[in-house]
Amino acid sequence: DTEVTQTPKHLVMGMTNKKSLKCEQHMGHRAMYWYKQKAKKPPELMFVYSYEKLSINESVPSRFSPECPNSSLLNLHLHALQPEDSALYLCASSWGAAEKLFFGSGTQLSVL
Amino acid sequence: GQQVMQIPQYQHVQEGEDFTTYCNSSTTLSNIQWYKQRPGGHPVFLIQLVKSGEVKKQKRLTFQFGEAKKNSSLHITATQTTDVGTYFCADLNTGFQKLVFGTGTRLLVSP
Repeated sequence: DTEVTQTPKHLVMGMTNKKSLKCEQHMGHRAMYWYKQKAKKPPELMFVYSYEKLSINESVPSRFSPECPNSSLLNLHLHALQPEDSALYLCASSWGAAEKLFFGSGTQLSVL
Repeated sequence: GQQVMQIPQYQHVQEGEDFTTYCNSSTTLSNIQWYKQRPGGHPVFLIQLVKSGEVKKQKRLTFQFGEAKKNSSLHITATQTTDVGTYFCADLNTGFQKLVFGTGTRLLVSP
């Protein structure tokens, strides 16, 4: 299994809603990532988990809250988002820090 | 902070023509990775370059890492419509586990 699975594929939420994005991989990878990608822009790193511990937070607003329940799962909890947070949210995983990333197909998020 | 720029931003070629995208950094690059993202898709890893002056080939794709490790390039020979997508270089800052993506080059190939 060489896949990173993300759910949901699409999400529309209001600014007062709370929702969660989910990511799963069964490749035994020890590093997992959240990226945000706006249309026609490169992916921007948000968070890095290494061995289930948060190792990088790229100064992301607290309305985004990551969670790594175990080595296969990564969540991104969303609360009180703004319309400018609308984007494609990509999860990725890798064996380690210097290895290639495997990306999931992403969650297209729209905040109304 | 580090900036990784790619040129051109966009290129439209006829099928069979060659294509090159260049990746330039304001600082010395560590390890360069190249990814391809099809329209509506997600980035897919193509290759990693580590050594100064390194050249790697994958069928019609040739990847180079500059001697001074300040730039890299991807050359596609005889493009096909399946090459359509955005090509990103990305610098892997191993000390901080951060992969910094370049600005990307969008390739359109007409049959």
